Amino acid sequence: AQKVTQAQTEISVVEKEDVTLDCVYETRDTTYYLFWYKQPPSGELVFLIRRNSFDEQNEISGRYSWNFQKSTSSFNFTITASQVVDSAVYFCALSDRGTNAGKSTFGDGTTLTVKP
Amino acid sequence: KAGVTQTPRYLIKTRGQQVTLSCSPISGHRSVSWYQQTPGQGLQFLFEYFSETQRNKGNFPGRFSGRQFSNSRSEMNVSTLELGDSALYLCASSLLASGTDTQYFGPGTRLTVL
Repeated sequence: AQKVTQAQTEISVVEKEDVTLDCVYETRDTTYYLFWYKQPPSGELVFLIRRNSFDEQNEISGRYSWNFQKSTSSFNFTITASQVVDSAVYFCALSDRGTNAGKSTFGDGTTLTVKP
Repeated sequence: KAGVTQTPRYLIKTRGQQVTLSCSPISGHRSVSWYQQTPGQGLQFLFEYFSETQRNKGNFPGRFSGRQFSNSRSEMNVSTLELGDSALYLCASSLLASGTDTQYFGPGTRLTVL
């Protein structure tokens, strides 16, 4: 069975602070994909990044960076120099092949508030 | 390229009624998945369609059904509405249905059941 845990329910930071959102996952499959989505108040889930289970190379894209560690089943997301516009709910998601095709399992989300 | 569109954006219904929600995927995408989002249960998978066939289904009662047309557009129907069906219904499309493709989400339909 798949499971995604986002232990942080809410995080509040002041603008320009760095913030890391945690994600821990469980799956029995050896091939799987991990995602981060952002949901602003408008409601639409916006895709941020996807990583497959064979690619542990971490990446930096602008103010965003990701830390994928299979050994600890974690896929953490960091925003550097946060901005007010980063305020949103962030979801970590997991999907795999086979019987779970077309289905992603989402964590409960972390609400990030960035104060000016 | 236009994104995923969902209609209507907002709906208000009363208990016992039925409702149909529509989703148009990104052009060229063949897989459409539906999710229900509520404050208490979070994002839960409803079902997924690929080439007009339901390939996967979540743990929802039979009152929730869907279909996909030959142009990949999809509809979901909820019959005999209950108060607990009030939620944001999100549709996502992806190019294939291997479970490996990124899902792109629409803005959602917010359903309120009175």
